[in-house]
Amino acid sequence: GAGVSQSPRYKVAKRGQDVALRCDPISGHVSLFWYQQALGQGPEFLTYFQNEAQLDKSGLPSDRFFAERPEGSVSTLKIQRTQQEDSAVYLCASSLLGWRADTQYFGPGTRLTVL
Amino acid sequence: AQTVTQSQPEMSVQEAETVTLSCTYDTSESDYYLFWYKQPPSRQMILVIRQEAYKQQNATENRFSVNFQKAAKSFSLKISDSQLGDAAMYFCAYRSADNYGQNFVFGPGTRLSVLP
Repeated sequence: GAGVSQSPRYKVAKRGQDVALRCDPISGHVSLFWYQQALGQGPEFLTYFQNEAQLDKSGLPSDRFFAERPEGSVSTLKIQRTQQEDSAVYLCASSLLGWRADTQYFGPGTRLTVL
Repeated sequence: AQTVTQSQPEMSVQEAETVTLSCTYDTSESDYYLFWYKQPPSRQMILVIRQEAYKQQNATENRFSVNFQKAAKSFSLKISDSQLGDAAMYFCAYRSADNYGQNFVFGPGTRLSVLP
């Protein structure tokens, strides 16, 4: 596609529900990143994939957070038993290669609100 | 761990004037990349400009330029001839150049308003 897309754009969940957030990276991009952006703050790194391999998940805040990219393209971030502190915008980004100098292209984000 | 600081939560500029957004960072590494990203209300982060730490020459992209002071660990963004469309949140970001430095470390952002 022309850019990184994410769905849904908005998600409201009751505390304790499980949610799944989808990211469609730019076609052919090797690297994929997930970030969490709390209101009024900069994005914070969650996890990184190179193709289907999850090479870094050091930013995932708890074992309730799980990400996958089984075929090396679309990725899903799953949050189990959501809590109010999970409310944030979740951004996905992709880059062409795995090089450090690569530009990351961001999607529009999914705003998650946990009631 | 690296940190990025943006000391100006909000800035405003008159249309057609020039504004400078500040960014400082802390790192023990000698090789890294610095970025400025723009995030309009639509939330899509857009790359504004990028600087490689090993390059002494300051990066420029049309009306956007940086003042990179490696010794001072400072990376400010200058926007010349400001336009209404420049209004957005601006994030400074750091990226390590080592084998494991794949993710960005972002600053807290500066909200820029452009006054007509």
